[in-house]
Amino acid sequence: GENVEQHPSTLSVQEGDSAVIKCTYSDSASNYFPWYKQELGKGPQLIIDIRSNVGEKKDQRIAVTLNKTAKHFSLHITETQPEDSAVYFCAASKGNSGYSTLTFGKGTMLLVSP
Amino acid sequence: NAGVTQTPKFQVLKTGQSMTLQCAQDMNHEYMSWYRQDPGMGLRLIHYSVGAGITDQGEVPNGYNVSRSTTEDFPLRLLSAAPSQTSVYFCASGGQGGDYEQYFGPGTRLTVT
Repeated sequence: GENVEQHPSTLSVQEGDSAVIKCTYSDSASNYFPWYKQELGKGPQLIIDIRSNVGEKKDQRIAVTLNKTAKHFSLHITETQPEDSAVYFCAASKGNSGYSTLTFGKGTMLLVSP
Repeated sequence: NAGVTQTPKFQVLKTGQSMTLQCAQDMNHEYMSWYRQDPGMGLRLIHYSVGAGITDQGEVPNGYNVSRSTTEDFPLRLLSAAPSQTSVYFCASGGQGGDYEQYFGPGTRLTVT
Protein backbone atom coordinates (compact mmCIF):
# COMPACT_ATOMS: atom_id res chain seq x y z
CA GLY A 1 0.00 0.00 0.00
CA GLU A 2 0.85 3.67 -0.07
CA ASN A 3 3.31 5.08 2.46
CA VAL A 4 3.58 8.82 3.11
CA GLU A 5 6.53 10.24 5.03
CA GLN A 6 6.33 13.80 6.41
CA HIS A 7 9.10 16.05 7.75
CA PRO A 8 9.75 17.77 10.03
CA SER A 9 7.56 16.58 12.90
CA THR A 10 7.80 20.00 14.57
CA LEU A 11 8.67 23.40 13.13
CA SER A 12 9.11 26.67 15.01
CA VAL A 13 9.34 29.97 13.13
CA GLN A 14 9.10 33.66 13.89
CA GLU A 15 6.11 35.63 12.67
CA GLY A 16 6.75 36.81 9.13
CA ASP A 17 9.15 33.97 8.27
CA SER A 18 8.40 31.27 5.72
CA ALA A 19 7.67 27.66 6.63
CA VAL A 20 8.20 24.59 4.46
CA ILE A 21 6.87 21.09 5.15
CA LYS A 22 7.94 18.19 2.95
CA CYS A 23 6.33 14.84 2.14
CA THR A 24 7.34 11.83 0.10
CA TYR A 25 5.08 9.05 -1.16
CA SER A 26 5.82 5.53 -2.31
CA ASP A 27 3.14 4.64 -4.87
CA SER A 28 3.84 6.16 -8.28
CA ALA A 29 0.15 5.70 -9.17
CA SER A 30 -0.91 8.29 -6.57
CA ASN A 31 -2.34 11.35 -8.30
CA TYR A 32 -4.01 13.53 -5.68
CA PHE A 33 -2.14 15.29 -2.87
CA PRO A 34 -4.08 17.38 -0.33
CA TRP A 35 -2.86 19.29 2.71
CA TYR A 36 -4.97 19.53 5.85
CA LYS A 37 -4.69 21.90 8.82
CA GLN A 38 -5.84 20.77 12.25
CA GLU A 39 -6.35 23.31 15.01
CA LEU A 40 -6.44 22.19 18.62
CA GLY A 41 -9.58 20.26 19.48
CA LYS A 42 -10.95 20.31 15.93
CA GLY A 43 -11.10 18.04 12.92
CA PRO A 44 -8.67 18.54 10.01
CA GLN A 45 -9.64 21.02 7.32
CA LEU A 46 -8.43 21.10 3.71
CA ILE A 47 -6.25 24.12 2.95
CA ILE A 48 -4.90 23.30 -0.50
CA ASP A 49 -4.59 20.34 -2.83
CA ILE A 50 -2.81 19.46 -6.06
CA ARG A 51 -3.32 16.83 -8.73
CA SER A 52 -0.55 15.08 -10.62
CA ASN A 53 -1.09 17.00 -13.85
CA VAL A 54 0.02 20.23 -12.12
CA GLY A 55 3.47 21.09 -10.73
CA GLU A 56 2.56 24.01 -8.49
CA LYS A 57 -0.52 25.65 -7.03
CA LYS A 58 -0.87 28.86 -5.02
CA ASP A 59 -3.57 30.32 -2.82
CA GLN A 60 -2.58 33.64 -1.25
CA ARG A 61 0.19 32.85 1.29
CA ILE A 62 0.04 29.09 0.73
CA ALA A 63 1.60 27.12 -2.12
CA VAL A 64 2.13 23.46 -2.87
CA THR A 65 4.73 22.01 -5.24
CA LEU A 66 4.81 18.50 -6.67
CA ASN A 67 7.72 16.57 -8.14
CA LYS A 68 6.30 13.37 -9.61
CA THR A 69 9.67 12.03 -10.68
CA ALA A 70 11.07 12.24 -7.17
CA LYS A 71 7.70 11.40 -5.60
CA HIS A 72 7.67 14.30 -3.21
CA PHE A 73 5.51 17.34 -2.58
CA SER A 74 5.87 20.33 -0.29
CA LEU A 75 3.76 22.95 1.46
CA HIS A 76 5.08 26.50 1.55
CA ILE A 77 3.60 29.14 3.86
CA THR A 78 4.92 32.67 3.44
CA GLU A 79 4.62 35.61 5.86
CA THR A 80 3.57 33.30 8.69
CA GLN A 81 1.15 34.58 11.32
CA PRO A 82 0.40 33.27 14.84
CA GLU A 83 -2.94 31.92 13.58
CA ASP A 84 -1.00 29.60 11.26
CA SER A 85 0.05 27.64 14.36
CA ALA A 86 -1.54 24.19 14.01
CA VAL A 87 -0.79 20.63 12.97
CA TYR A 88 -0.47 20.14 9.21
CA PHE A 89 -1.00 16.81 7.46
CA CYS A 90 -0.09 15.83 3.93
CA ALA A 91 -1.87 12.95 2.22
CA ALA A 92 -1.87 10.98 -1.01
CA SER A 93 -4.58 9.21 -2.96
CA LYS A 94 -4.78 7.39 -6.24
CA GLY A 95 -7.47 6.59 -8.71
CA ASN A 96 -10.49 8.53 -9.83
CA SER A 97 -13.13 6.10 -8.66
CA GLY A 98 -15.12 5.93 -5.46
CA TYR A 99 -12.75 3.33 -4.11
CA SER A 100 -9.76 5.66 -3.76
CA THR A 101 -8.62 6.21 -0.17
CA LEU A 102 -6.38 8.79 1.48
CA THR A 103 -3.12 7.89 3.21
CA PHE A 104 -1.91 10.57 5.62
CA GLY A 105 1.54 11.52 6.83
CA LYS A 106 2.16 11.65 10.57
CA GLY A 107 1.79 15.42 10.77
CA THR A 108 3.89 18.54 11.44
CA MET A 109 3.25 20.78 14.41
CA LEU A 110 3.91 24.36 13.29
CA LEU A 111 4.44 27.00 15.97
CA VAL A 112 4.60 30.64 14.89
CA SER A 113 5.95 32.94 17.58
CA PRO A 114 4.98 36.64 17.60
CA ASN B 1 -25.77 22.87 6.51
CA ALA B 2 -24.43 21.23 9.66
CA GLY B 3 -21.70 19.43 7.67
CA VAL B 4 -20.41 16.33 9.48
CA THR B 5 -21.64 15.72 13.01
CA GLN B 6 -20.32 13.17 15.50
CA THR B 7 -21.68 12.00 18.82
CA PRO B 8 -20.64 11.68 21.57
CA LYS B 9 -17.76 14.17 21.98
CA PHE B 10 -16.25 12.21 24.87
CA GLN B 11 -16.72 8.64 26.08
CA VAL B 12 -15.14 6.44 28.74
CA LEU B 13 -15.57 2.68 28.45
CA LYS B 14 -14.44 -0.28 30.47
CA THR B 15 -12.56 -3.08 28.75
CA GLY B 16 -14.99 -5.46 27.09
CA GLN B 17 -17.86 -3.00 26.75
CA SER B 18 -19.34 -2.24 23.35
CA MET B 19 -20.55 1.04 21.95
CA THR B 20 -21.42 2.85 18.73
CA LEU B 21 -19.91 6.13 17.58
CA GLN B 22 -22.41 8.06 15.50
CA CYS B 23 -21.61 10.03 12.34
CA ALA B 24 -23.98 11.92 10.08
CA GLN B 25 -23.55 14.26 7.10
CA ASP B 26 -26.01 16.46 5.26
CA MET B 27 -24.01 17.12 2.09
CA ASN B 28 -25.27 14.10 0.14
CA HIS B 29 -21.76 12.67 -0.15
CA GLU B 30 -21.41 9.12 -1.34
CA TYR B 31 -18.00 8.61 0.29
CA MET B 32 -17.65 8.41 4.09
CA SER B 33 -14.80 7.17 6.24
CA TRP B 34 -13.61 6.67 9.80
CA TYR B 35 -10.11 7.50 11.04
CA ARG B 36 -8.38 7.16 14.37
CA GLN B 37 -5.76 9.67 15.49
CA ASP B 38 -3.06 8.68 17.95
CA PRO B 39 -0.08 10.81 19.06
CA GLY B 40 2.72 10.64 16.51
CA MET B 41 0.73 8.32 14.23
CA GLY B 42 -1.23 10.73 12.09
CA LEU B 43 -4.65 9.70 10.83
CA ARG B 44 -5.20 6.03 10.07
CA LEU B 45 -8.14 4.75 8.06
CA ILE B 46 -10.37 2.24 9.85
CA HIS B 47 -13.26 1.66 7.44
CA TYR B 48 -14.82 3.49 4.54
CA SER B 49 -17.98 3.42 2.45
CA VAL B 50 -18.60 4.43 -1.15
CA GLY B 51 -22.39 4.44 -0.81
CA ALA B 52 -25.32 2.95 1.03
CA GLY B 53 -24.81 -0.78 1.49
CA ILE B 54 -21.13 -0.72 0.45
CA THR B 55 -18.29 -0.72 2.98
CA ASP B 56 -14.64 -1.77 2.94
CA GLN B 57 -11.72 -2.08 5.34
CA GLY B 58 -8.97 0.45 5.74
CA GLU B 59 -5.54 0.17 7.34
CA VAL B 60 -6.63 -0.68 10.92
CA PRO B 61 -10.07 -2.40 10.84
CA ASN B 62 -9.65 -5.02 13.60
CA GLY B 63 -12.06 -4.59 16.51
CA TYR B 64 -14.39 -2.28 14.59
CA ASN B 65 -17.53 -2.84 12.58
CA VAL B 66 -19.45 -0.52 10.24
CA SER B 67 -22.61 -0.49 8.17
CA ARG B 68 -24.16 2.08 5.83
CA SER B 69 -27.91 1.83 5.51
CA THR B 70 -28.44 5.44 4.38
CA THR B 71 -26.38 8.06 2.55
CA GLU B 72 -26.41 10.29 5.63
CA ASP B 73 -25.28 7.96 8.42
CA PHE B 74 -22.14 5.88 8.95
CA PRO B 75 -21.89 4.49 12.52
CA LEU B 76 -18.74 2.85 13.87
CA ARG B 77 -19.18 -0.02 16.33
CA LEU B 78 -16.63 -1.17 18.89
CA LEU B 79 -17.49 -4.78 19.54
CA SER B 80 -15.45 -5.39 22.71
CA ALA B 81 -13.45 -2.33 23.73
CA ALA B 82 -9.74 -2.70 24.51
CA PRO B 83 -7.28 -0.16 25.99
CA SER B 84 -5.52 -0.11 22.58
CA GLN B 85 -8.65 1.52 21.16
CA THR B 86 -8.15 4.60 23.31
CA SER B 87 -7.91 7.30 20.66
CA VAL B 88 -9.61 10.25 18.99
CA TYR B 89 -11.97 9.12 16.23
CA PHE B 90 -12.84 11.25 13.23
CA CYS B 91 -15.55 10.70 10.69
CA ALA B 92 -15.21 12.31 7.25
CA SER B 93 -17.26 12.59 4.11
CA GLY B 94 -16.37 13.81 0.66
CA GLY B 95 -17.64 13.58 -2.88
CA GLN B 96 -17.19 10.24 -4.55
CA GLY B 97 -13.87 9.12 -3.16
CA GLY B 98 -10.63 9.84 -1.35
CA ASP B 99 -9.48 12.04 -4.20
CA TYR B 100 -12.00 14.72 -3.32
CA GLU B 101 -11.99 17.22 -0.44
CA GLN B 102 -12.82 15.43 2.80
CA TYR B 103 -14.96 17.19 5.40
CA PHE B 104 -14.12 16.04 8.91
CA GLY B 105 -16.35 15.98 11.94
CA PRO B 106 -15.24 17.42 15.31
CA GLY B 107 -14.10 14.05 16.64
CA THR B 108 -14.92 11.71 19.53
CA ARG B 109 -12.34 11.26 22.28
CA LEU B 110 -12.60 7.67 23.57
CA THR B 111 -10.85 6.31 26.64
CA VAL B 112 -10.93 2.60 27.43
CA THR B 113 -9.89 1.66 30.97
